[in-house]
Amino acid sequence: AQSVTQLGSHVSVSEGALVLLRCNYSSSVPPYLFWYVQYPNQGLQLLLKYTSAATLVKGINGFEAEFKKSETSFHLTKPSAHMSDAAEYFCAVSDQGAQKLVFGQGTRLTINP
Amino acid sequence: DAMVIQNPRYQVTQFGKPVTLSCSQTLNHNVMYWYQQKSSQAPKLLFHYYDKDFNNEADTPDNFQSRRPNTSFCFLDIRSPGLGDAAMYLCATSRDSQRGITQYFGPGTRLTVL
Repeated sequence: AQSVTQLGSHVSVSEGALVLLRCNYSSSVPPYLFWYVQYPNQGLQLLLKYTSAATLVKGINGFEAEFKKSETSFHLTKPSAHMSDAAEYFCAVSDQGAQKLVFGQGTRLTINP
Repeated sequence: DAMVIQNPRYQVTQFGKPVTLSCSQTLNHNVMYWYQQKSSQAPKLLFHYYDKDFNNEADTPDNFQSRRPNTSFCFLDIRSPGLGDAAMYLCATSRDSQRGITQYFGPGTRLTVL
């Protein structure tokens, strides 16, 4: 069975600092991996996805993530945090061809002025 | 712009009073999903439609039902809402021909049960 673990339910960084949100997955087959962002009282918006092409995936809003098979990780990074990045971030995994996503528990990102 | 629309954005109902939440999409996607999201938790899949085929999650209570009258619309019916059903309800869509099937989410309906 697939699963996703997000390390740290709450991450706080200063504006302009590096953002690192951690995600580890478990899957018996090559996975598809996703990062979604959720702003308060809104739906989820896709930041980026990995579909077995390039291991370094660039997304919207300056975010990127690197798929590391040896570490079963898909950590999300942004070089310089902006106040508007404050939100909840969810990592998710699916099997190739599967219709369903398995979500991690989410990480709330707070940006300090 | 193509999108997923949910109405209403905020819904208040009384304990035990049936309520229906609505989702429509202009993406022409063949798969539609309903999720329940409680505060500070991940979305939990309730069920999904693959075209007209209904797929219920094993742990979805019987109190939750869904209808999909056509490709564009999908409804979530809660027959007898309890206090524990207060949550954000998210609708999502996907197109199964995509590589790395991406789900596109609506803005959600926040349900309050009094």
